[in-house]
Amino acid sequence: SAVISQKPSRDICQRGTSLTIQCQVDSQVTMMFWYRQQPGQSLTLIATANQGSEATYESGFVIDKFPISRPNLTFSTLTVSNMSPEDSSIYLCSVMGLTNTGELFFGEGSRLTVL
Amino acid sequence: AQKVTQAQTEISVVEKEDVTLDCVYETRDTTYYLFWYKQPPSGELVFLIRRNSFDEQNEISGRYSWNFQKSTSSFNFTITASQVVDSAVYFCALSERGYSSASKIIFGSGTRLSIRP
Repeated sequence: SAVISQKPSRDICQRGTSLTIQCQVDSQVTMMFWYRQQPGQSLTLIATANQGSEATYESGFVIDKFPISRPNLTFSTLTVSNMSPEDSSIYLCSVMGLTNTGELFFGEGSRLTVL
Repeated sequence: AQKVTQAQTEISVVEKEDVTLDCVYETRDTTYYLFWYKQPPSGELVFLIRRNSFDEQNEISGRYSWNFQKSTSSFNFTITASQVVDSAVYFCALSERGYSSASKIIFGSGTRLSIRP
């Protein structure tokens, strides 16, 4: 399995600001995803981060609010823009296993609290 | 559309008891993968098992076992002789066309398992 590092691990942010979360993988991976886990809830897919092209967003998520970069096969960033308290969540970077049989491996997550 | 239902929101048992976590799924595809993940209090999601739609053989790994039944669209997870370290939130998940670059994984709502000493 890949080793996935996320930064920051947690942060407290002010309403109206933006925060960028970084995800670094120790090997080249084709598929990278960003998930959100609101307090006490399940995981919801935000988008698929595509290398060299725009991310593919799920219903309910837009690029203006969650811009994503994927400059290479080992790195991606997710920005949470113009934050409000409703954005308080754990944001998780994940990658698909090398066998491409569907299982995902996750970073430790970034726990954001918006005041 | 695909959907994963974990009807048990919380389960609490005494250590050494056996416990089964239920998972029921919906999909229109004939090719799909099912997964279980564990999320301990530390927060990191740990992959436990993958099962493809063509393999209904049950699997056992130590104290863990999984029962996949296509006839009832269920993929239940049993922990035998539970231990306090098993306390976590467990997620069942489904991926259609699991080996395709276009696939994505949908998660159930999770079951919070508490093992009391």
